[in-house]
Amino acid sequence: ILNVEQSPQSLHVQEGDSTNFTCSFPSSNFYALHWYRWETAKSPEALFVMTLNGDEKKKGRISATLNTKEGYSYLYIKGSQPEDSATYLCAFQNTGTASKLTFGTGTRLQVTL
Amino acid sequence: NAGVTQTPKFQVLKTGQSMTLQCAQDMNHEYMSWYRQDPGMGLRLIHYSVGAGITDQGEVPNGYNVSRSTTEDFPLRLLSAAPSQTSVYFCASRQFPTGSYQPQHFGDGTRLSIL
Repeated sequence: ILNVEQSPQSLHVQEGDSTNFTCSFPSSNFYALHWYRWETAKSPEALFVMTLNGDEKKKGRISATLNTKEGYSYLYIKGSQPEDSATYLCAFQNTGTASKLTFGTGTRLQVTL
Repeated sequence: NAGVTQTPKFQVLKTGQSMTLQCAQDMNHEYMSWYRQDPGMGLRLIHYSVGAGITDQGEVPNGYNVSRSTTEDFPLRLLSAAPSQTSVYFCASRQFPTGSYQPQHFGDGTRLSIL
């Protein structure tokens, strides 16, 4: 079983704050790293699929970076808004079992006014 | 667009009963999978399929069966429900084979309680 860890487990920020989370994954046999946004009572929605070392992706105020050599990815949210409140999941795909995703336990973000 | 459709949304069973959770997708995705989500744990893979007629076990397959007779449908069967199977179940699909770097699309989940 692959070890995918996310930190922190939860985070509480004020509206307008910028924040970031970490996803750690095995540094060998890397294929892709996924980020999902999961709102309460809904299903996870894809944010990014990152494939190359040094990749940076951006969607609005949310961006992500990838370091496959050291096995981590950062997700950044600039100027957090209450609608950003959700759990953010990362999932690792390796080359050996490329059809499967191994998920972390998520970072739960709460943004208050 | 319907995407991934799961039924039912909620179900309560008694220990020992059997049932089937339905999952259908209309995106012509080859790859489909079932996860369970429990408090404090990430999404754990139960079973997956890379195409009609092909299924394989994930991380926590015991107590569950799957079949894939069509590209669209991937039902999950609980053979004899146990309280440990109380969970929220998610079905997901994506394009396959590898090389396409596509995200997964999830259904809305089925909340299952076993008494």
